[in-house]
Amino acid sequence: DVVLTQSPLSLPVTLGQPASISCRSSESLVDSDGNTYLNWFQQRPGQSPRRLIYTVSNRDSGVPDRFSGSGSGTDFTLKISRVEAEDVGVYYCMQNTHWPLTFGGGTKVEIK
Amino acid sequence: EVQLVESGGGFVQPGGSLRLSCAASGFTFWTSAMTWVRQAPGKGLEWVSSISASGGVKNYADSVKGRFTVSRENSRNSVFLQMNSLRADDTGVYYCAKEAGDFWGQGTLVIVSS
Repeated sequence: DVVLTQSPLSLPVTLGQPASISCRSSESLVDSDGNTYLNWFQQRPGQSPRRLIYTVSNRDSGVPDRFSGSGSGTDFTLKISRVEAEDVGVYYCMQNTHWPLTFGGGTKVEIK
Repeated sequence: EVQLVESGGGFVQPGGSLRLSCAASGFTFWTSAMTWVRQAPGKGLEWVSSISASGGVKNYADSVKGRFTVSRENSRNSVFLQMNSLRADDTGVYYCAKEAGDFWGQGTLVIVSS
């Protein structure tokens, strides 16, 4: 199974400052169709997960442009350019290139 | 507006069964794969099962293979998860998601305990 390793586990951030979360895969997430199916999800406290980013760098509808995704192969990053109070929660990467689908362990973003 | 509404969760003893349902609306259900993801209390997300748009292809996590069965009724815009031989470590919130997670339901809580 593909193992996704997120870091850090916890990320205290000052409001208005940037934040960056890493997701490293145990194998390449490039599919045979040429796409890389690496997604990012946000789960605010008490809420269902919400997808922010799909195929590495595509923002979902309604997602603020302060969120961006980048990376290739086995190394991926989610960046928040300026953290706002509503960004508090746990962020997960997930791959759907290979079966079984797998999630990273999560990164908890909190305000300092 | 896409809506996914799960139901069927509850309290069950080890070895028991539950059938979860997910009612979908706001999108072309019969062209969309569907996925079940669970979350144990205080833990991360775990993929459980996915079913193709036609229902012809089903995939399961090793942890539930042979015990859980995913199905769908496109005429009713619904997807189901039949859970048998339930164990304590199956406890958690079960989410229904469209495709590989572009939209999620609110989840339904399953508690397996004696």
